[in-house]
Amino acid sequence: EPEVTQTPSHQVTQMGQEVILRCVPISNHLYFYWYRQILGQKVEFLVSFYNNEISEKSEIFDDQFSVERPDGSNFTLKIRSTKLEDSAMYFCASRMRGSSYEQYFGPGTRLTVT
Amino acid sequence: SQQGEEDPQALSIQEGENATMNCSYKTSINNLQWYRQNSGRGLVHLILIRSNEREKHSGRLRVTLDTSKKSSSLLITASRAADTASYFCATTWGPNTGNQFYFGTGTSLTVIP
Repeated sequence: EPEVTQTPSHQVTQMGQEVILRCVPISNHLYFYWYRQILGQKVEFLVSFYNNEISEKSEIFDDQFSVERPDGSNFTLKIRSTKLEDSAMYFCASRMRGSSYEQYFGPGTRLTVT
Repeated sequence: SQQGEEDPQALSIQEGENATMNCSYKTSINNLQWYRQNSGRGLVHLILIRSNEREKHSGRLRVTLDTSKKSSSLLITASRAADTASYFCATTWGPNTGNQFYFGTGTSLTVIP
């Protein structure tokens, strides 16, 4: 069964450094998402991406964040200058077109900012 | 906020018993989905119920949706120790959005062998 994959599974970085989290969505999916989950808290929406552009973003998704689909298969989340509070689990998700379709989530990347 | 809210926050039952979790939300929705998350792991899709559906079954799972009360319930029958996890409801809404999810805080289910 097709699945969303994410790399790396765990990333440790120093405050102020740039990180890129990578995702490979399911191949025939058209909508892509990033969510984050701070330890012990709820899953929060960051951004959605469709037709090579951002379609929605939350207040969390400020200028420090960017997304890209560089090659038609990967979907990346970049954090330019990480802060301690960026430490969280980051989930990528994808779905087919149409509101009735499920979102399929990747296993997540645990980002630890020290 | 559109975010779903689950209750109870924590539930502990014996293996073989049924577990019922509830979710409430605030505005009209396109659909509602339930996810399971094992500790420290990703989100596994369990079941989707559309706004025009009232009940749906999948194996040992039964989901109901009451749009007049803006609530949904997830019933797991004949629970197993492997069902121990956190369960989240997620809603999508709006005709022209990217249908991002709004997650609740989750119900932590412990099934005691």
